[in-house]
Formats: sequence, structure tokens, C-alpha cells
Amino acid sequence: GESVGLHLPTLSVQEGDNSIINCAYSNSASDYFIWYKQESGKGPQFIIDIRSNMDKRQGQRVTVLLNKTVKHLSLQIAATQPGDSAVYFCAENDNNNDMRFGAGTRLTVKP
Amino acid sequence: AAGVIQSPRHLIKEKRETATLKCYPIPRHDTVYWYQQGPGQDPQFLISFYEKMQSDKGSIPDRFSAQQFSDYHSELNMSSLELGDSALYFCASSLGLGSYEQYFGPGTRLTVT
Repeated sequence: GESVGLHLPTLSVQEGDNSIINCAYSNSASDYFIWYKQESGKGPQFIIDIRSNMDKRQGQRVTVLLNKTVKHLSLQIAATQPGDSAVYFCAENDNNNDMRFGAGTRLTVKP
Repeated sequence: AAGVIQSPRHLIKEKRETATLKCYPIPRHDTVYWYQQGPGQDPQFLISFYEKMQSDKGSIPDRFSAQQFSDYHSELNMSSLELGDSALYFCASSLGLGSYEQYFGPGTRLTVT
């Protein structure tokens, strides 16, 4: 399943499928990006980050893709599990030291 | 591993009252950030401190102030509370300024009645 981030705040996928969550950022000077996962009632949890000199970074079951030309960031989750159900935020840092969060996407994993 | 500690976890105040939120960063972290998250909203950056000095300022109202102490813990002071201040307030900490991972605390839920 795939979301368009800011314009589709919910994404529902079947367990075992791959998920793609998209995010558009606004500041071309941003040089560092993070994806956070936020479960209900908890603080944002770091998932994966990427710097602007890279276009792809892989973690365990997650991949972040960065397209600086169109200022687009995506998070791919492989073999999505029920524990992945949460709200996912992308955040950008433009070296002014504060993270600016995009609108979250709620991921629901159906068993 | 030790995480960011915030206190209190829940706070109920009336309009025009004051509130103080506390944040204890991860040991050795010298930078703290405060965020406000309204219901169904993304976290909004308020203010940050590095080595006890304000390092950046976001959308923090003039009614709010914050500081970082010598032990690196931080306090967010909120005065003349308004209904719209009801939100989750997160503190995050990092080691150093700039492009470093920020680790978030569990948040303080403030309800203004």
C-alpha cells in the first residue's frame, strides 16, 4: 500500500505486505531528515534518518528514499506487521537545529 | 538504557493559571528541545537549548518561557494558560547541536479547563 502523506493521512495494508509512506518537505535548505513512529499516547520514536548527500538508506525492514529534486521523502516498510501500526511523521532539519514535522500518516495493519 | 524523563505525565490546570513542565535528558545529552502537539496534529517545535543557552526558538508563545539548568534538565514555564494550550508537550534530547538524532520523552499531557 502507498500513501501520499500530507494528502492521505491514513494507510491501511494487509499484514505481510509492503508499505510506502510519502512525505513532501518544503525547505530546500534542509539537509537532514528523520522518520518517526508514534504509537498512541507515546512520544515519537526514531526509525531511520538520512542526510541530504544520500538518496537511499536502509535499515532493518525499513528503507528511506530522498528525492531532493522534488523535495520528497518516502519510508518503505517491508513485510508490514501489526506492531507497525502507528502514526508516522517525517521531520526535516535545516541546520537551525529544530525539527519541522510533516503531517503524520496513520498506518493500520490488518491481520 | 535510560531515556528522556518528563514530569508530570499529566497535568490539569484552569485558565489563567501557570504550569511548569520538567524534562530530564538522556545522560550526557547536552541539548534539549520542546515540542507541542495538539490533538491530531504533528509536533510543533517550541524552543531548544544547548549547553544551558537558548539555541533556537520556534512557535513558542510569549506567555511561555524555558531554561536549561546546570545539570542539563530543562523546565518549560507556562503562564496565563489558555484553553488552546491543552496539548501534549514533548521534550527531546540529543548529544550536540545540528543534525543529531533527537530522542523523545513520553510527553506531558496538559489539560486546561
